[in-house]
Amino acid sequence: IQLTQSPSLLSASVGDRVTLSCKGSQNINNYLAWYQQKLGEAPKLLIYKTNSLQTGIPSRFSGSGSGTDYTLTISSLHSEDLATYYCYQYNNGWTFGGGTKLELK
Amino acid sequence: EVQLVESGGGLVQPGRSLKLSCAASGFTFSNYGMHWIRQAPTKGLEWVASISPSGGSTYYRDSVKGRFTISRDNAKSTLYLQMDSLRSEDTATYYCATDDILFDYWGQGVMVTVSS
Repeated sequence: IQLTQSPSLLSASVGDRVTLSCKGSQNINNYLAWYQQKLGEAPKLLIYKTNSLQTGIPSRFSGSGSGTDYTLTISSLHSEDLATYYCYQYNNGWTFGGGTKLELK
Repeated sequence: EVQLVESGGGLVQPGRSLKLSCAASGFTFSNYGMHWIRQAPTKGLEWVASISPSGGSTYYRDSVKGRFTISRDNAKSTLYLQMDSLRSEDTATYYCATDDILFDYWGQGVMVTVSS
């Protein structure tokens, strides 16, 4: 399964509502997770099984989707959210999307 | 505290071999499948290989099949990645990680540079 993330680069301001997309080449059956990676750090799990929030992750992060199309939403962008975000499917093998880099406008 | 600590990285010439290790602690290692995931400089994450809890099943991405071997020693709580016939495109930071989305832990990563 291939995952395509869009956009690859997103410029936003603090307080903005931000939406990141991830599209699979076939049905992922909701086995879709989102990771956040900051420079020089290992990735951190934010969301699993499409919309389940990992323990300790702020509620401004949410996930949705079904079939082949999934979305990560940040309801109000904080400065510490500037990072690269990867979607990850674990329905059939394991695949990462190409990433969306979130930068300050 | 769960810890995954990779070691064994470094600079290696094309065509040579390198073996990475990932020492696990703070959990029952033998209960979990494990992954190796890599990230080339300035690039995205790429799944490399996985192994079942017992070590009886292994899985590889096509570009490393026949060159890389994932293995584990449950008595030593250690995961390995034997990398043979290394290529410049294998240059990356290699992470070990648990294969359980409800028990998701990653190491800090180890750098492998393939260059003459």
